[in-house]
Amino acid sequence: AIRMTQSPSSFSASTGDRVTITCRASQGISSYLAWYQQKPGKAPKLLIYAASTLQSGVPSRFSGSGSGTDFTLTISCLQSEDFATYYCQQYYSYPPLTFGGGTKVEIK
Amino acid sequence: QVQLQESGPGLVKPSQTLSLTCTVSGGSISSGGYYWSWIRQHPGKGLEWIGYIYYSGSTYYNPSLKSRVTISVDTSKNQFSLKLSSVTAADTAVYYCARGKRRSSGQNNWFDPWGQGTLVTVSS
Repeated sequence: AIRMTQSPSSFSASTGDRVTITCRASQGISSYLAWYQQKPGKAPKLLIYAASTLQSGVPSRFSGSGSGTDFTLTISCLQSEDFATYYCQQYYSYPPLTFGGGTKVEIK
Repeated sequence: QVQLQESGPGLVKPSQTLSLTCTVSGGSISSGGYYWSWIRQHPGKGLEWIGYIYYSGSTYYNPSLKSRVTISVDTSKNQFSLKLSSVTAADTAVYYCARGKRRSSGQNNWFDPWGQGTLVTVSS
């Protein structure tokens, strides 16, 4: 199974900050990576697919980059509604389809 | 747009079978081009893919759960279902259904949309 490792697992930030979350795959996955945002008590919401393609309706302050084993999700100017947990997911090879452990972005 | 809604018992006894149904609205399961997945999230933890089904009935399961999982589809009702047998407290989780885009190679891509999720507790 391809293991997805996110870092950090959590951190605090302030509104207006530029934040970066990292996801590393245990083997190369080309650009077969998606990012999701999850708020408490809610289902995950797709933000980015194919490593860097923004899902329709997602604000442009979100961006993704990377290929192979190393990927990043960047929020250029953190808004109050962005405080949530973020997950990466690989769909290069399965079973199983796998997710990262999550990165919780908290208010400083 | 397509919406998914999970339904089923919120409490299951140990050793019994967990059964959930996902009803799809705003689109037809039979239209093809998508896989229909179950994903779970243990309390306070990350996401675990359970398996998916295509409208034709072909399935793919997570090897860690494969011996206990059955996913089926009822195209006439536009629903797909999950059965997980011999449950224990470790199966207590929020269960989500989700749609996965099928790519030209036949594999599953990302998940969108997701149902709201339903908490299933395994307890006597």
